[in-house]
Amino acid sequence: AQSVTQPDIHITVSEGASLELRCNYSYGATPYLFWYVQSPGQGLQLLLKYFSGDTLVQGIKGFEAEFKRSQSSFNLRKPSVHWSDAAEYFCAVGRAGNMLTFGGGTRLMVKP
Amino acid sequence: DTGVSQDPRHKITKRGQNVTFRCDPISEHNRLYWYRQTLGQGPEFLTYFQNEAQLEKSRLLSDRFSAERPKGSFSTLEIQRTEQGDSAMYLCATPLEGEWGYTFGSGTRLTVV
Repeated sequence: AQSVTQPDIHITVSEGASLELRCNYSYGATPYLFWYVQSPGQGLQLLLKYFSGDTLVQGIKGFEAEFKRSQSSFNLRKPSVHWSDAAEYFCAVGRAGNMLTFGGGTRLMVKP
Repeated sequence: DTGVSQDPRHKITKRGQNVTFRCDPISEHNRLYWYRQTLGQGPEFLTYFQNEAQLEKSRLLSDRFSAERPKGSFSTLEIQRTEQGDSAMYLCATPLEGEWGYTFGSGTRLTVV
């Protein structure tokens, strides 16, 4: 069965600092991987996705993620965090039928 | 505008009452998904439809839960005899155009008191 682990429940960074959110997955086949963001009281918004090809994928809002098969990881990065990036971030892996399994999320707080 | 409309946005109900939520995709999609998200957790898959047919149900979907998609467009999710453990955000989603992944609705937040 597939699973997703986001080891960091909370992360606090200063505005302007770089960010990396960790995601590890377990899946027997080639994974389809996603990052979603959820702001307080808002729905889930897709940041980026990986299906195949280039292991470094670019998303919206200046985010990128790198797929590393050898480490079963799909970490999310941003070079310079803005206060508006404060939100909860979810990593997910897809399986047949387009069902997604989500991680528990990482809550990002941004210090001024 | 998320492409998926859910109604109501919030629902407070007493334990033991029945509730029904509705999901309306703005554009036509063959598939429609329901997820549940409890506080501090990621969304968990409940069920999905291919047109009118309900193709898969999670073990999370007890006998008190029923979902329908009668005309292959909108969908309803009913919970009978609600329990406090049913308190959660119920999310509806439709596939991204031609690709994996979803567009999620804003959800219905259920509070059972």
